[in-house]
Amino acid sequence: SQQGEEDPQALSIQEGENATMNCSYKTSINNLQWYRQNSGRGLVHLILIRSNEREKHSGRLRVTLDTSKKSSSLLITASRAADTASYFCATDSGYRGGGSQGNLIFGKGTKLSVKP
Amino acid sequence: DSGVTQTPKHLITATGQRVTLRCSPRSGDLSVYWYQQSLDQGLQFLIHYYNGEERAKGNILERFSAQQFPDLHSELNLSSLELGDSALYFCASTLGLAGFNEQFFGPGTRLTVL
Repeated sequence: SQQGEEDPQALSIQEGENATMNCSYKTSINNLQWYRQNSGRGLVHLILIRSNEREKHSGRLRVTLDTSKKSSSLLITASRAADTASYFCATDSGYRGGGSQGNLIFGKGTKLSVKP
Repeated sequence: DSGVTQTPKHLITATGQRVTLRCSPRSGDLSVYWYQQSLDQGLQFLIHYYNGEERAKGNILERFSAQQFPDLHSELNLSSLELGDSALYFCASTLGLAGFNEQFFGPGTRLTVL
């Protein structure tokens, strides 16, 4: 079952513009992660934000987390053609015993196209 | 390169057959997770092994099974294959048990069932 839902499903922008993708989830989380997938290839981890964090930066990436709204956003600034990929948010599913097993629940992804 | 290897990269087989997908985690990682990615279901968690023991199951069919060996590599066995099993199968590894670390994904095995 899907936990995170990304919005929009597809996004097309010009090089140099910023790209913002949103993710909403349903249950409480330990952390939220963003991954990138180039067409048909493996997923690459971008950034992890813990439930007690509100914002995190990594290079041109900025992630925010609002646990009260159960939502997160990924901002890519000054986008490049090489940023063309699908972006997924993933939440840790938690574990009934109290600790986390770490298996991730992924959204359906946002397909980003950056035109040169 | 994530350090996680998967073989084979591509697999084409017929309905009713059985296949084995292999995953070698990053050096030192004890946890291996298997995921299936298909067009209609998206990315789905299948099963998690930690240091040789099964720790969690997700949407894994009874026709599918997995194991993790003493050298920590893992195999996913898919039997009585159906057309709908065609998908990308990924494994991911991470150091510990808790879900507070990033997972490193392999390049995947693309399974086509004809």
